Amino acid sequence: AQTVTQSQPEMSVQEAETVTLSCTYDTSENNYYLFWYKQPPSRQMILVIRQEAYKQQNATENRFSVNFQKAAKSFSLKISDSQLGDTAMYFCAFMKRFIQGAQKLVFGQGTRLTINP
Amino acid sequence: DGGITQSPKYLFRKEGQNVTLSCEQNLNHDAMYWYRQDPGQGLRLIYYSQIVNDFQKGDIAEGYSVSREKKESFPLTVTSAQKNPTAFYLCASSPPGMDTQYFGPGTRLTVL
Repeated sequence: AQTVTQSQPEMSVQEAETVTLSCTYDTSENNYYLFWYKQPPSRQMILVIRQEAYKQQNATENRFSVNFQKAAKSFSLKISDSQLGDTAMYFCAFMKRFIQGAQKLVFGQGTRLTINP
Repeated sequence: DGGITQSPKYLFRKEGQNVTLSCEQNLNHDAMYWYRQDPGQGLRLIYYSQIVNDFQKGDIAEGYSVSREKKESFPLTVTSAQKNPTAFYLCASSPPGMDTQYFGPGTRLTVL
């Protein structure tokens, strides 16, 4: 079974700093997807960034970027120029494909990120 | 506006009662999912549905039931057989050909 591990339960940085959240995963699959979701106090799960395992290029979305190391099974999220609105729980998630074509997300335990003014 | 809606936002239930959580989407997505989140934890898959009139158990289906009579709707019933139902429930959907799930705002269920 796939597992996702986020080793940092909590992190705190000053506004405008850069922060990196860690994620490792375990799988025997070769084709899969990795995601970072953000859950602010409203508890809505918001997609931050998505990485396809067969793509070597790291995904980037504005201030958010990932460092995807497939051999090491590592998928870290870097937030540049952090803003107060980035304060949230961040979840790393893995997705494999079912034979039927449905998609199952496997989540890590989350990292609580606080951006201080 | 297109999106995924869940109702109600907060739900209280007495022990021994069944309760149904609503999930509706107008995104024309084929696949829909129900996840459960406990405090300080990630999400766990309860049920999922790839197409109308078809659904499959996830990792923690015991004590739950679903139906998929319409493409837009995927209600979740929490039965009295669910031993620890107090949790936050999130519904998600994904379009065909895209390996990404989008989430609704969630329902907080509390058993009194």
